[in-house]
Amino acid sequence: DAGVIQSPRHEVTEMGQEVTLRCKPISGHDYLFWYRQTMMRGLELLIYFNNNVPIDDSGMPEDRFSAKMPNASFSTLKIQPSEPRDSAVYFCASSFVLKRAEDYYGYTFGSGTRLTVV
Amino acid sequence: AQKVTQAQTEISVVEKEDVTLDCVYETRDTTYYLFWYKQPPSGELVFLIRRNSFDEQNEISGRYSWNFQKSTSSFNFTITASQVVDSAVYFCALSEWNYKLSFGAGTTVTVRA
Repeated sequence: DAGVIQSPRHEVTEMGQEVTLRCKPISGHDYLFWYRQTMMRGLELLIYFNNNVPIDDSGMPEDRFSAKMPNASFSTLKIQPSEPRDSAVYFCASSFVLKRAEDYYGYTFGSGTRLTVV
Repeated sequence: AQKVTQAQTEISVVEKEDVTLDCVYETRDTTYYLFWYKQPPSGELVFLIRRNSFDEQNEISGRYSWNFQKSTSSFNFTITASQVVDSAVYFCALSEWNYKLSFGAGTTVTVRA
């Protein structure tokens, strides 16, 4: 299994430009999460999906941020227009949930996209 | 409200010393999961251990061990005989009924040779 795949690994863009981050979750995982990591705020959840449906987007900072999951194998996080304060590492993670509460389930994180907005 | 608290910001030890990382969590759920993740300087998030709320048995896995105590809402993590490669930021995390993973602020561990 290739794990959770994120692209690009690094992105440098100018303020005002549109940025699209991509994520391919692990096949069979039915949850997908987008996190942002900054020095000031740590790891914060932006949005998560279950079976391709957005469940909670309360962590999305502003209307400039949007996320989609058109199918089970692909998700995007878009920032339009980008601002310098959006500079951060963005992680995608996927997970599966078994039917019994005591069963194991786990989260696998991608390698992250380091976004720099200048 | 902060669901996961890691009171230690930084810990510095000499190689071969033991390191214990503290984690206190807050939840009203009866079913929940606790995790420890490691973030080395390369930046990826590496899963270390997981414990569900049904199982308070403490275990040892290689040089890692953990102490889960529901009575005090604590999930502490110990690295035995630390090595330079253990230098990283360690995150404690909590997952509740909605499967959202909430992270603590992280503890930076520096192991000096």
